[in-house]
Amino acid sequence: IAGITQAPTSQILAAGRRMTLRCTQDMRHNAMYWYRQDLGLGLRLIHYSNTAGTTGKGEVPDGYSVSRANTDDFPLTLASAVPSQTSVYFCASSQRTGSNGYTFGSGTRLTVV
Amino acid sequence: DQQVKQNSPSLSVQEGRISILNCDYTNSMFDYFLWYKKYPAEGPTFLISISSIKDKNEDGRFTVFLNKSAKHLSLHIVPSQPGDSAVYFCAAWRSGNTPLVFGKGTRLSVIA
Repeated sequence: IAGITQAPTSQILAAGRRMTLRCTQDMRHNAMYWYRQDLGLGLRLIHYSNTAGTTGKGEVPDGYSVSRANTDDFPLTLASAVPSQTSVYFCASSQRTGSNGYTFGSGTRLTVV
Repeated sequence: DQQVKQNSPSLSVQEGRISILNCDYTNSMFDYFLWYKKYPAEGPTFLISISSIKDKNEDGRFTVFLNKSAKHLSLHIVPSQPGDSAVYFCAAWRSGNTPLVFGKGTRLSVIA
């Protein structure tokens, strides 16, 4: 089934540890995005990539890094996790932004303790 | 500075009645507006969109209205069904390589 796969689905992480959230799409979409969802704050963009080899910062990029070595994969890395990074993380992709919008993954629930 | 605002965190509606979800925006350069629906433990899914050159778009029970002069859009669901209970996100897009901007969401509860 075409779509976006995120892994892991949930994780409890000790503060200070490094963690990579994985995101893979099989739709050959050019653009990919990482959002975090927090109660009362909605969906906030962390980083994005318009095409393989390029990345850009979103609204809340601090503490996160991304890479886009190929079209399909867009991993999000927390170099040294902090409790404020406890959130639900959604990866999304789009052929182009516009009327059809994005396809989202099912999310990764991350708890930093 | 929040460009897309959903000022109602929650809304309760009786089954069969109309649900109206509101969204305001500040950037007059947005070209498209979209609504996403999100169930618990799932990712958001695209629901309906409208171009900035139109004032209405309808898809079955869902209609989106756009008032550009007021920088306001609304999503109407008629009739509302219990399965419509979800969080609804308003989003806006400006042409070019710019990501979608989302509002904070409105939780709709449709009561049987």
